[in-house]
Amino acid sequence: QVQVVESGGGVVQPGSSLRLSCAASGFNFSTFGMHWFRQAPGKGLEWVAAIWFDGSKKYYGDSVKGRFTISRDNSRNTVSLQMDTLRADDTAVYYCARGLQYPAYWGQGTLVTVSS
Amino acid sequence: SYELTQPLSMSVALGQTASISCGGNDIGSKTVHWYQQKPGQAPVLVIYRDTNRPSGIPERFSGSNSGNTATLTISRAQGGDEADYYCQVWDSGAVFFGGGTKLTVL
Repeated sequence: QVQVVESGGGVVQPGSSLRLSCAASGFNFSTFGMHWFRQAPGKGLEWVAAIWFDGSKKYYGDSVKGRFTISRDNSRNTVSLQMDTLRADDTAVYYCARGLQYPAYWGQGTLVTVSS
Repeated sequence: SYELTQPLSMSVALGQTASISCGGNDIGSKTVHWYQQKPGQAPVLVIYRDTNRPSGIPERFSGSNSGNTATLTISRAQGGDEADYYCQVWDSGAVFFGGGTKLTVL
């Protein structure tokens, strides 16, 4: 069955970096675009970044543009999110999801807390 | 940027029909998707491409999209339908969500 599992969350200080990973299984990973989303405590869903099936195109939400980088390794069925210059308002549960137009499969999320 | 507007909350009596709206400029020309999210859980896709139900989603869930409003309709509402619902559009390489509607089943 289709599975996406996020990892790498934790507590970090403002200004620091963190790298999230998402391991995919149960489908032909190299043929699907992938997204990262996030949800701050008590808030709605926010799109973070998207990457094409072959990594040729990458798009970012305005709030993370220039600070976050999405990448993928089709040989390892993983997609990553490098987060730099983290701020308190980046605190959220981060979700990885499969499918560009309508992400149909989501992981359970990994919590990132940015606090001094 | 593309703005999607949803009511913050709404309630429906058990067994009745709930219609959750999602407003956007000429949203009828776009393709809308809907997610259900229960507390502490990841979102679940309940409607894709305006009107389609993924496998495993009850027929009680349906969608429509025309003009400036897309609508998620939940017929014969059950207690298990109590959740947050989000509409979503994929446009020009970006994803846009409505602010979410908290549905309470009375």
